Amino acid sequence: LAKTTQPISMDSYEGQEVNITCSHNNIATNDYITWYQQFPSQGPRFIIQGYKTKVTNEVASLFIPADRKSSTLSLPRVSLSDTAVYYCLVGGSQGNLIFGKGTKLSVKP
Amino acid sequence: GAVVSQHPSWVICKSGTSVKIECRSLDFQATTMFWYRQFPKQSLMLMATSNEGSKATYEQGVEKDKFLINHASLTLSTLTVTSAHPEDSSFYICSAPIPVRGSVSPLHFGNGTRLTVT
Repeated sequence: LAKTTQPISMDSYEGQEVNITCSHNNIATNDYITWYQQFPSQGPRFIIQGYKTKVTNEVASLFIPADRKSSTLSLPRVSLSDTAVYYCLVGGSQGNLIFGKGTKLSVKP
Repeated sequence: GAVVSQHPSWVICKSGTSVKIECRSLDFQATTMFWYRQFPKQSLMLMATSNEGSKATYEQGVEKDKFLINHASLTLSTLTVTSAHPEDSSFYICSAPIPVRGSVSPLHFGNGTRLTVT
């Protein structure tokens, strides 16, 4: 399973766009990239998943360059409630994803 | 939509006793479920893969005789922490993949169980 590297923490202010980049140099051909959000004392929540180029849903966008060795989660106009830990995971159909350390996002007023 | 329900949300038990945690898939069938453990301010650590109708697969370093996993139906997996000790105190989280046509199945997680062993 491909290992991922993310910044340990990021700070932002309400209303700003936040971009969190994840490196996954050893991503396999069949691997997808999935991002999760976790609040304290809760299970992770699925945010978005993609394989290549760009994926957008109602909460975020995911940008994946052609070489797929990295990906960027983009959160538009963050609010205080977006303060959480964000995990980037890479894996195939097995589902037994290995979590890295994640990025702790702090949104300030 | 599909939901993974975990119960109980928290439990306090005495050292030496056993605790059972349930993980249910609502509105979908899960032949595979995953159990994670998370210590404070740390990431999730995969403990084992629960397989419906067969033995669970444990990650290296996880004692299968201590963390008993049963996946007797397509919607229920249980994790039993046997002879619990204070060092077993942690946040236990289950997950199940939601089938998605044409893509890898993303995991949906339960809300976790906070286990405190006194």
